[in-house]
Amino acid sequence: NAGVTQTPKFQVLKTGQSMTLQCAQDMNHEYMSWYRQDPGMGLRLIHYSVGAGITDQGEVPNGYNVSRSTTEDFPLRLLSAAPSQTSVYFCATSQTGTRISEQYFGPGTRLTVT
Amino acid sequence: GEDVEQSLFLSVREGDSSVINCTYTDSSSTYLYWYKQEPGAGLQLLTYIFSNMDMKQDQRLTVLLNKKDKHLSLRIADTQTGDSAIYFCAESNQGGKLIFGQGTELSVKP
Repeated sequence: NAGVTQTPKFQVLKTGQSMTLQCAQDMNHEYMSWYRQDPGMGLRLIHYSVGAGITDQGEVPNGYNVSRSTTEDFPLRLLSAAPSQTSVYFCATSQTGTRISEQYFGPGTRLTVT
Repeated sequence: GEDVEQSLFLSVREGDSSVINCTYTDSSSTYLYWYKQEPGAGLQLLTYIFSNMDMKQDQRLTVLLNKKDKHLSLRIADTQTGDSAIYFCAESNQGGKLIFGQGTELSVKP
């Protein structure tokens, strides 16, 4: 049982390049989400999904796309990277999206855009 | 919109108590959470409190909630060097989305 895994752990991109951050979970959780963490700003929600085939925008969705074709995977795509997207990205999952449900966080992907 | 505020830094001596404070604006928040982030790691849920509770204790951790003032605190008794981390306050809104504070970096000096 690996929990929540994220790949890669580190990535450097040039402005305008595209890439996909991977998130996978083996806990059969319905709810998955992506956050970015920036110094002094806490975690901000980018996109989330309440189940396979369903996605919705969070607080800071611009510049990011997501899809949820399976319960296990929730990739985050950057179509044209910008320096403002330099951040640490965390994927989180929970059994459901309900308020009491504990969210399990992956180890994070540190992205630098030059 | 919803907002959660925390002070950014706290420094204490080993063995002392640490108190980390948080204020929030959403009066409809039902659950409030404390997460811990160790260096290079993701966030780990420490504890949570339901809004109809004033206090929750779990071993060395005590959570106090003042719903009238929208103020949440986390007290760590007998703070150890292993408690050094960033502590995030969060509240959940509709659908279970979490709104996080900026995080408080706790530094424990021997």
